[in-house]
Amino acid sequence: AQSVAQPEDQVNVAEGNPLTVKCTYSVSGNPYLFWYVQYPNRGLQFLLKYITGDNLVKGSYGFEAEFNKSQTSFHLKKPSALVSDSALYFCAVRAGNNNDMRFGAGTRLTVKP
Amino acid sequence: DGGITQSPKYLFRKEGQNVTLSCEQNLNHDAMYWYRQDPGQGLRLIYYSQIVNDFQKGDIAEGYSVSREKKESFPLTVTSAQKNPTAFYLCASRTGQTNTGELFFGEGSRLTVL
Repeated sequence: AQSVAQPEDQVNVAEGNPLTVKCTYSVSGNPYLFWYVQYPNRGLQFLLKYITGDNLVKGSYGFEAEFNKSQTSFHLKKPSALVSDSALYFCAVRAGNNNDMRFGAGTRLTVKP
Repeated sequence: DGGITQSPKYLFRKEGQNVTLSCEQNLNHDAMYWYRQDPGQGLRLIYYSQIVNDFQKGDIAEGYSVSREKKESFPLTVTSAQKNPTAFYLCASRTGQTNTGELFFGEGSRLTVL
């Protein structure tokens, strides 16, 4: 079975400060890890993914994520937050030998001016 | 432009009625998915299809049905057997060439049961 946990329902940061949105996963076999962002009443937009290789993955809009196998984590980061980054963020995992993708419950990020 | 189109965006239904949500993609993707989103619960998988004329149940398939007669289309029917159908429904697709591809999502359909 595969699962994802996002331990924080809400993250608040000031504009210009670094942000981190946490994600831990559980999967049998090699994990494929993804981050998505959702704006109100919209579908999810893909930000970045880890499949293999370099543990630091860079994605859209200045976001990056670090894969840590020993801690089974895949935290999303950005060096300097923008008010426009305020949205709902989802972490997802797919096992390498599986077809479906499992999502976390989501973390609401609020960036204040 | 290529993408996924869901319709209708908003739908109201009386109890006891079946409704069908449309999902069409022109990305030439093999795999298509239906998720349900409820506040604080993330996305839960209803059904998915890897190829035409084949589909599998997800975690919450009870009260739902799907068909995959064409590669481009994966409609979801919410039946009267679904006890709590009010939710935001998301359709997604991905290439089936490898298992590493990300999902592409439609804009969602919000169903409200009156």
